Amino acid sequence: DSGVTQTPKHLITATGQRVTLRCSPRSGDLSVYWYQQSLDQGLQFLIHYYNGEERAKGNILERFSAQQFPDLHSELNLSSLELGDSALYFCASSVGSWESKNIQYFGAGTRLSVL
Amino acid sequence: EDQVTQSPEALRLQEGESSSLNCSYTVSGLRGLFWYRQDPGKGPEFLFTLYSAGEEKEKERLKATLTKKESFLHITAPKPEDSATYLCAVQASGTYKYIFGTGTRLKVLA
Repeated sequence: DSGVTQTPKHLITATGQRVTLRCSPRSGDLSVYWYQQSLDQGLQFLIHYYNGEERAKGNILERFSAQQFPDLHSELNLSSLELGDSALYFCASSVGSWESKNIQYFGAGTRLSVL
Repeated sequence: EDQVTQSPEALRLQEGESSSLNCSYTVSGLRGLFWYRQDPGKGPEFLFTLYSAGEEKEKERLKATLTKKESFLHITAPKPEDSATYLCAVQASGTYKYIFGTGTRLKVLA
């Protein structure tokens, strides 16, 4: 067990809908990272938060947004969902921000199916 | 462009048959290279991190090595429970990005 908690494990929804994925980092970790993993692609970095502030943004669609709350948990919001958004979404956490030598520890993921 | 390539894509070994997985990378400057293991439907599990050429790390049947262009994950006398996808990730200096390879799917047969 990595100590990173993601909920829900599975999510089934319809096109056009909006969903929220939740992540609780390991105790003591200030950074949260979100990734998308599709069948035909590797892990794609979406966004990084450190201690409540956005620190880096990757290939994240404008329909997607995230935030990190004062208790350090994070939420990834996906709206106007399309079939192609079906994927595994992973959250990872680390002690420091990306500028430091960090090891990212991953949660078990949320499997999103858009029908 | 920063890039990570893993080979082979898939590997089948008999139990006890040692082999190596390769991770080739192209980055402007290496901050760190990371190996993860991923079981189906689960999140990547951290194995090793390497920071400079010549560095080696070892854990049970696994040994990771690093050169200026590539990293190898050596698996000695594998067991069926070593079956998984092994992912390599690279972080370049001065960038937030972890660039992941697409992985090597390892199957160890009893």
